[in-house]
Amino acid sequence: NAGVMQNPRHLVRRRGQEARLRCSPMKGHSHVYWYRQLPEEGLKFMVYLQKENIIDESGMPKERFSAEFPKEGPSILRIQQVVRGDSAAYFCASSPQTGQGRTDTQYFGPGTRLTVL
Amino acid sequence: GEDVEQSLFLSVREGDSSVINCTYTDSSSTYLYWYKQEPGAGLQLLTYIFSNMDMKQDQRLTVLLNKKDKHLSLRIADTQTGDSAIYFCAENGKTSYDKVIFGPGTSLSVIP
Repeated sequence: NAGVMQNPRHLVRRRGQEARLRCSPMKGHSHVYWYRQLPEEGLKFMVYLQKENIIDESGMPKERFSAEFPKEGPSILRIQQVVRGDSAAYFCASSPQTGQGRTDTQYFGPGTRLTVL
Repeated sequence: GEDVEQSLFLSVREGDSSVINCTYTDSSSTYLYWYKQEPGAGLQLLTYIFSNMDMKQDQRLTVLLNKKDKHLSLRIADTQTGDSAIYFCAENGKTSYDKVIFGPGTSLSVIP
């Protein structure tokens, strides 16, 4: 069973360009979470999605950032008009659907390291 | 609010035990976690403890939970150079799903 997969592993963009980060959850997992890790800091929650629904985007900046988890295909975190402050490692995590509350552990992907020049 | 705190650095000699401490604020957390992050890598779930437990042992790892003081610790016995990494303490958030709140991470350096 493959783990959580993220691509690309490294992404370089110039200021003003768009960044698209992809996350394929573990097989059987229908919950996806995105976190951002700024240099030398811990992880900060950005957004939580289930298939075709955004459940909580309270940690995501209101502008330029968007996320989706379509019925088919990976979850996408999209950053428009990137700025230098967006440089960070972006981690995706997934957990299975339980319907029983806060019991599932999240499994993390290797992350995408975004560098904005 | 939700907050998890850890000391940022720890240095130990190879073969000694390491103890990484963490405090959290959300008393309603169901699970508390320890993740390991090696340089340039993602997070690896090391272990977790359910909030109604006091202790969990898994090979060289021992997790102690003091729910009254909201204090969590991770003890690594016989620390090896391969244990050098950043260790993140994390808890469930207050919401009805698995929003995980992370501490800032403790950078463990193992001296040969």
